[in-house]
Amino acid sequence: QVQLQESGPGQVKPSQTLSLTCTVSGAPINSGGHYWGWIRQPAGKGLEWIGRIYTSGGTNYNPSLKSRVTISMDTSKNNFSLRLSSVTAADTAMYYCTKEGGGSLTTIFDFWGPGTVVTVSS
Amino acid sequence: DIQMTQSPSSLSASVGDRVTITCRASQSINTHLNWYQQKPGRAPKLLIYFASILQSGVPSRFSGSGSGTDFTLIISSLQPEDFASYYCQQSYSTPWTFGQGTKVEI
Repeated sequence: QVQLQESGPGQVKPSQTLSLTCTVSGAPINSGGHYWGWIRQPAGKGLEWIGRIYTSGGTNYNPSLKSRVTISMDTSKNNFSLRLSSVTAADTAMYYCTKEGGGSLTTIFDFWGPGTVVTVSS
Repeated sequence: DIQMTQSPSSLSASVGDRVTITCRASQSINTHLNWYQQKPGRAPKLLIYFASILQSGVPSRFSGSGSGTDFTLIISSLQPEDFASYYCQQSYSTPWTFGQGTKVEI
């Protein structure tokens, strides 16, 4: 069974960089042909896809955040990370790491971490 | 980006009710439509993918239908554990996008 767990600071100052890590157990992130990604949800609001990284290291980002986002992976630790630069209060949200499954026919978010709250505040 | 619009935003229902939630895409997405359930303080959980295929372990009272731009999630007989928020998500093209959610309340 795949399990994901987010970790990182719960508070970030405006204009600084948000950094989160997702540690994966139950599956190697550098094989299997899966995507690993991030989704966020401001309190009381909907879900926003941030981006993803493939087992080979290729990435896709939401154009609305692309200029500020970097997703990377560390295969030795079986984890992947999110960096979001120049944060503002609008980036305050619950951040989830996810596994994208579904094979070549579709994309589903079949595994999720429990989420971690990040607040942007001075 | 493909915009996903759900209706209603919220609804009140009772145990045993039949509940219908609709989702409309801003362009055709064939059947690349997924449904998720989210309970307070929890991560979303996949219910249905490819518009109508039930994820393993999901009760059969949940069903999905539709293609193109219009989709429906039906809960045939609402159970106490079904009070939650429901989100549709298109998997036709990136960026993946979600509906704004439907909160099912007592």
